[in-house]
Amino acid sequence: AQSVAQPEDQVNVAEGNPLTVKCTYSVSGNPYLFWYVQYPNRGLQFLLKYITGDNLVKGSYGFEAEFNKSQTSFHLKKPSALVSDSALYFCAVRDRNTGGFKTIFGAGTRLFVKA
Amino acid sequence: GAVVSQHPSRVICKSGTSVKIECRSLDFQATTMFWYRQFPKQSLMLMATSNEGSKATYEQGVEKDKFLINHASLTLSTLTVTSAHPEDSSFYICSARRLNTDTQYFGPGTRLTVL
Repeated sequence: AQSVAQPEDQVNVAEGNPLTVKCTYSVSGNPYLFWYVQYPNRGLQFLLKYITGDNLVKGSYGFEAEFNKSQTSFHLKKPSALVSDSALYFCAVRDRNTGGFKTIFGAGTRLFVKA
Repeated sequence: GAVVSQHPSRVICKSGTSVKIECRSLDFQATTMFWYRQFPKQSLMLMATSNEGSKATYEQGVEKDKFLINHASLTLSTLTVTSAHPEDSSFYICSARRLNTDTQYFGPGTRLTVL
């Protein structure tokens, strides 16, 4: 069965500092991996995805994530955090080998960036 | 970019009534649409997957007679919460898979409050 773990409920970072939001996954085959961001009372906004190729994926708003197959991780990173990055971040996984399009979401990590 | 809309954005209803939520892909055709439910401070839980012109596939534990899904066209899916009760109060989010792609776009969500 597919699963996604986001071990931190909350991450606090000072503006200008680098940020990391952690994600590990479990799938039976090869994964598609995604990061989404959600602002209060809003739907999800796509940030980036890993399909194949380069393990370092660059996405919207300066975010990037690194796919690490041996550690089954897909941590989200940004070199310099902004206050406006404060939001709820979801990691998601889809098993490309099982067919279908079912995407499983992690529990979410709330990011607070302090000025 | 691709846009998915939901209507209404907020709805308040009395217990025992039925509520219909619409999900539309505004500028693309959607092979598949998904309905998620999100409780406060929790992740998205997939409720059902619907393909245009066929019956929806419901996740385990989701009552298909309570959450009626219709996917009549490639741009519209509806979720009807029948005989709503206060425990059905939640944030409902739809997403649409663009035809012939593996890209999924999310709607802004509908907040349902059942009194």
